[in-house]
Amino acid sequence: NAGVTQTPKFRVLKTGQSMTLLCAQDMNHEYMYWYRQDPGMGLRLIHYSVGEGTTAKGEVPDGYNVSRLKKQNFLLGLESAAPSQTSVYFCASTTGAETQYFGPGTRLLVL
Amino acid sequence: QKEVEQDPGPLSVPEGAIVSLNCTYSNSAFQYFMWYRQYSRKGPELLMYTYSSGNKEDGRFTAQVDKSSKYISLFIRDSQPSDSATYLCAVNLAKVTGGGNKLTFGTGTQLKVEL
Repeated sequence: NAGVTQTPKFRVLKTGQSMTLLCAQDMNHEYMYWYRQDPGMGLRLIHYSVGEGTTAKGEVPDGYNVSRLKKQNFLLGLESAAPSQTSVYFCASTTGAETQYFGPGTRLLVL
Repeated sequence: QKEVEQDPGPLSVPEGAIVSLNCTYSNSAFQYFMWYRQYSRKGPELLMYTYSSGNKEDGRFTAQVDKSSKYISLFIRDSQPSDSATYLCAVNLAKVTGGGNKLTFGTGTQLKVEL
């Protein structure tokens, strides 16, 4: 039981490049989330999903897109990366109970 | 005003000290309260979870919620160097169908326990 895994662990992009971050969970959780964590800002919700095929905007959705084609996977896309998207990205999942379980994070640097 | 306020620290204490970490929140509708611990370069991990007011104890850790003053606390007894981490409080509304079960996090308090 791997829990929540994230790919890649670290990535460097140039401004304007695109990439996709992959989150996978093997706990059969319905709810999945993408957060970004920046110094002094805490964890901020980007997008979330309440089930396969559904997505919704969080607190800071601009510049990001997501897809949940399979229940176990939640993808976060950056179509045209900007330096302001330099951050640590965390994925989380839950059954719909009140706690969330987090992945190890992806460090993204946009030059 | 942020929904959840948390002193960022850093907080430095000697080994064996009692540590008190605190958060305040603004929305009286919050009913679920959590503390997460995050080691450097790792993801947050759930430490304590409480519902409504009261205390919950787990080993050296005690979580306390005072809904009347909208104040949540985490106490760590006999603190150890391995407790050095960032502690994040989080709150959640009562479960709402279709509401996404979203959490609101404090910014985290960095704790260092020194030998």
